[in-house]
Amino acid sequence: GPKVLQIPSHQIIDMGQMVTLNCDPVSNHLYFYWYKQILGQQMEFLVNFYNGKVMEKSKLFKDQFSVERPDGSYFTLKIQPTALEDSAVYFCASSWGGASAETLYFGSGTRLTVL
Amino acid sequence: QQQVRQSPQSLTVWEGETAILNCSYENSAFDYFPWYQQFPGEGPALLIAIRSVSDKKEDGRFTIFFNKREKKLSLHITDSQPGDSATYFCAASGQGTGSKLSFGKGAKLTVSP
Repeated sequence: GPKVLQIPSHQIIDMGQMVTLNCDPVSNHLYFYWYKQILGQQMEFLVNFYNGKVMEKSKLFKDQFSVERPDGSYFTLKIQPTALEDSAVYFCASSWGGASAETLYFGSGTRLTVL
Repeated sequence: QQQVRQSPQSLTVWEGETAILNCSYENSAFDYFPWYQQFPGEGPALLIAIRSVSDKKEDGRFTIFFNKREKKLSLHITDSQPGDSATYFCAASGQGTGSKLSFGKGAKLTVSP
């Protein structure tokens, strides 16, 4: 089936540093998402992105977070600066249509450890 | 505010038994309810989904029963297999709720041989 690739699978950084998480979504998909999962628990919505713009973001999407997809390449999540509470697994997802109509395909996640 | 609730948090069944995972929701605007299956170290993958116009959706050993009036649904896994051992997430979305899925906290299913 369709694959969403996330790079890297694991990232360890010091608090205060910047980190960029990369996502290669399914090629013809138009909607992109980031979710945060702590300790294998609930998937928490962070942000969705369509047509080059953020459509919606949750309160977890702090001012230190930003997303972009320059020139149709990787969909990225940047955190600058990082904080200890940012340690989690971040999942990227994509869909052809909006989430109420289409299946979201998830990547395998990037485990971020902030020391 | 937890919009999607799941119970139980964990469940163990014997191989061949039927596992029942429950889900309830708050938002009447939700009309699409996918269940995702997640194995350790992997991302969630869509297992089966139902829309609110239906009260039942079946796909092989997996069946969703949906009660719109009570805002409840359940996932039944018949003839459970050890390979079904995973975490199952109930999710919901709908027109007017934004283009996102709201997930429950998940239910860890263990199928013992």
